[in-house]
Amino acid sequence: DVKVTQSSRYLVKRTGEKVFLECVQDMDHENMFWYRQDPGLGLRLIYFSYDVKMKEKGDIPEGYSVSREKKERFSLILESASTNQTSMYLCASSSLRLAGGPNEQFFGPGTRLTVL
Amino acid sequence: KQEVTQIPAALSVPEGENLVLNCSFTDSAIYNLQWFRQDPGKGLTSLLLIQSSQREQTSGRLNASLDKSSGRSTLYIAASQPGDSATYLCAGLSGGSYIPTFGRGTSLIVHP
Repeated sequence: DVKVTQSSRYLVKRTGEKVFLECVQDMDHENMFWYRQDPGLGLRLIYFSYDVKMKEKGDIPEGYSVSREKKERFSLILESASTNQTSMYLCASSSLRLAGGPNEQFFGPGTRLTVL
Repeated sequence: KQEVTQIPAALSVPEGENLVLNCSFTDSAIYNLQWFRQDPGKGLTSLLLIQSSQREQTSGRLNASLDKSSGRSTLYIAASQPGDSATYLCAGLSGGSYIPTFGRGTSLIVHP
């Protein structure tokens, strides 16, 4: 059974703290994604990685950075947390696009982050 | 750039009804179309994926179709149950992209 896990379901942090959100997948997927989800705004892509140490900015990268040192792990870092980063954070993974392959995307359970 | 729209944003139906959720996309050069379910406070669960070479996929009471020429996909839920209450999202992956484009979702309530 395919699996994407996230380090915490709920997290409460103070303004200005450095925050690490971890995501691990066991499917040997090349692609990994970080999204945030807010009511009325839908799912927004923060960062995308298609290989170890490779990353691309998504739609809303400001205030975030990422790290991918190993294929199975993709970390989202909030350098100095702010209240407007209170949100649901979702990690996902998918395989490389091969001719004829489905390229299905799988999501983790989400981390509800509250910044006070 | 691919745009994905889901209408209606919310739907409330009595138990037992057959229902159709709609998903429209602008780029007909679509590689695949994936349907997800999301329960409140949870992550997205993949329901069905239709590749561009396929017309439909079925899983239990769910059937998803893809019509590239009209830019539409539908998710058909047969004999709806209260346990089907959730938000349903569709995502289209365009040719040449690794990043799917998501719709805003349809929030479904099935009342007993």
